[in-house]
Amino acid sequence: NAGVTQTPKFRVLKTGQSMTLLCAQDMNHEYMYWYRQDPGMGLRLIHYSVGEGTTAKGEVPDGYNVSRLKKQNFLLGLESAAPSQTSVYFCASSYGLAHYNEQFFGPGTRLTVL
Amino acid sequence: SQQGEEDPQALSIQEGENATMNCSYKTSINNLQWYRQNSGRGLVHLILIRSNEREKHSGRLRVTLDTSKKSSSLLITASRAADTASYFCATASTGANNLFFGTGTRLTVIP
Repeated sequence: NAGVTQTPKFRVLKTGQSMTLLCAQDMNHEYMYWYRQDPGMGLRLIHYSVGEGTTAKGEVPDGYNVSRLKKQNFLLGLESAAPSQTSVYFCASSYGLAHYNEQFFGPGTRLTVL
Repeated sequence: SQQGEEDPQALSIQEGENATMNCSYKTSINNLQWYRQNSGRGLVHLILIRSNEREKHSGRLRVTLDTSKKSSSLLITASRAADTASYFCATASTGANNLFFGTGTRLTVIP
């Protein structure tokens, strides 16, 4: 089993460009999450999904959109990238609710916006 | 913010010594989890302790939880160079769909 995979691993964008980050999991998990990690800030939740076809906002959702068309995939989109979105992005999944279950993380995508 | 805070921010010890790191949080929780992150990698789950538990062990890891003080500690005994990583606590409030992560403790174990 691959667990949680993310593509791409690295990306450099110019301000105003758009891109989509793909997360895939093969554990049949219902819950999926997108986080960003910045130095000294820990992980902050961007958006999450509690099942196929559902999405919800997290702590820092502005400037991002997400879609969960298939249970195994969770896409994170940046419509018009800004330098403030330079960060490392992590996808995670879990079997169920956070207050009962551990989360499994992907290896991360390092995004630089110039 | 419900984000927890780890203390210390950085810790450097000799191989074989014990490492203790602490986490404080602000709201009532259902569980508290500890994760490890090796440099350039994703987070890996270490241990989950529920609000009605006071102590939990897993191999060389010992976690305590004091809900009255809103704090937890992670003890790594007989540390190894491979334990060098950042360690994060994460809390889940009752009914929450997501975790809130702390800012992490950077542990360096010197061979």
